[in-house]
Amino acid sequence: DQQVKQNSPSLSVQEGRISILNCDYTNSMFDYFLWYKKYPAEGPTFLISISSIKDKNEDGRFTVFLNKSAKHLSLHIVPSQPGDSAVYFCAAIIQGAQKLVFGQGTRLTINP
Amino acid sequence: GAGVSQTPSNKVTEKGKYVELRCDPISGHTALYWYRQSLGQGPEFLIYFQGTGAADDSGLPNDRFFAVRPEGSVSTLKIQRTERGDSAVYLCASASGRAYNEQFFGPGTRLTVL
Repeated sequence: DQQVKQNSPSLSVQEGRISILNCDYTNSMFDYFLWYKKYPAEGPTFLISISSIKDKNEDGRFTVFLNKSAKHLSLHIVPSQPGDSAVYFCAAIIQGAQKLVFGQGTRLTINP
Repeated sequence: GAGVSQTPSNKVTEKGKYVELRCDPISGHTALYWYRQSLGQGPEFLIYFQGTGAADDSGLPNDRFFAVRPEGSVSTLKIQRTERGDSAVYLCASASGRAYNEQFFGPGTRLTVL
């Protein structure tokens, strides 16, 4: 049972444009959400997070939106840069449980 | 400072053999996690240590998998009687206290069972 889903395995965006990565979840107990970025042969690196009490969190070029009623979150990257090309994982956690539940990942390619 | 390190980076073994995977967390981090990432999937939780004790081992797939952290720092994931389905990248992460967004991941060990 996939509790966190990223339905787009890949996404290609032109440099300078907006990249939007989507994530859906099924467990209403999740109360904290994170995005990780992963380059080949490296471990995932924390990018940005959002608590379930908020609907938006912004950090520089990265913004995460949370729609609790739809159980959906998205990551916006603007403007997209070639160095943003990586695999992005959405993750969710139940407070106190400690374990992250990851989606399958979306491979983002930024074209010059 | 040094991040999370994992050794070996690659391990090839034969079906039925025993393997040990090592994780060195960031110094001072009390929480340590093991995850497994199969091809085309996201990381899946295996086990979480707070100090020396396994606080949650609900992700270990069966009793062939075992992990220890005897001194509250380095951890070893042990897999007995390996099967081809165990082939995956095994990721270790560490964190200070209960800061969920501060799970720092190592580069992983790629295990291949022939």
